[in-house]
Amino acid sequence: DTAVSQTPKYLVTQMGNDKSIKCEQNLGHDTMYWYKQDSKKFLKIMFSYNNKELIINETVPNRFSPKSPDKAHLNLHINSLELGDSAVYFCASSQDTPTVGEKLFFGSGTQLSVL
Amino acid sequence: SQQGEEDPQALSIQEGENATMNCSYKTSINNLQWYRQNSGRGLVHLILIRSNEREKHSGRLRVTLDTSKKSSSLLITASRAADTASYFCATRPSGGYQKVTFGTGTKLQVIP
Repeated sequence: DTAVSQTPKYLVTQMGNDKSIKCEQNLGHDTMYWYKQDSKKFLKIMFSYNNKELIINETVPNRFSPKSPDKAHLNLHINSLELGDSAVYFCASSQDTPTVGEKLFFGSGTQLSVL
Repeated sequence: SQQGEEDPQALSIQEGENATMNCSYKTSINNLQWYRQNSGRGLVHLILIRSNEREKHSGRLRVTLDTSKKSSSLLITASRAADTASYFCATRPSGGYQKVTFGTGTKLQVIP
């Protein structure tokens, strides 16, 4: 069973379109994340949710809107896609205690190509 | 900005040799983690070392942490072709709930 699954794996779309990426984890974790990995392999955190509540919101354009319907799901909706949005987007989850952050479990990534 | 900087950016060794990767970070941390990423795949957690630990082992992996120098190293002994991947350090800052921030990564190639 896949612990963190995200769909789709590949997403090719035109500039200006709106698209969504879905993520689900079956690990019972409280915290979920979205990371963006650019062409140089830099990984940058975008958002983090803990028990459906937004706790980290990095400097991300408001075209990006995360939604967490329950603690097992964290979806990412992107409006008005731009060329610079092309990247690999990773979903991850972790089970954090109040004082110690534990390891992250990653999905296999969604490669987004904006043409 | 990236919390961690890794060195070297790329490393090419022969199978059987040891590989050492270094990570430097900027702020006080709660823990430091190392992850591996195979080409086209997600990241996989390798090992976690807490700020009050100095060394940790897991199989062929050895991690050290020097909080006074804000640096860590990952040693892979007796490397195998299957170790070919990118390796990232990640830090969780101290002082309450914080984000996990990744370094720039080291691309390791192990030549059979």
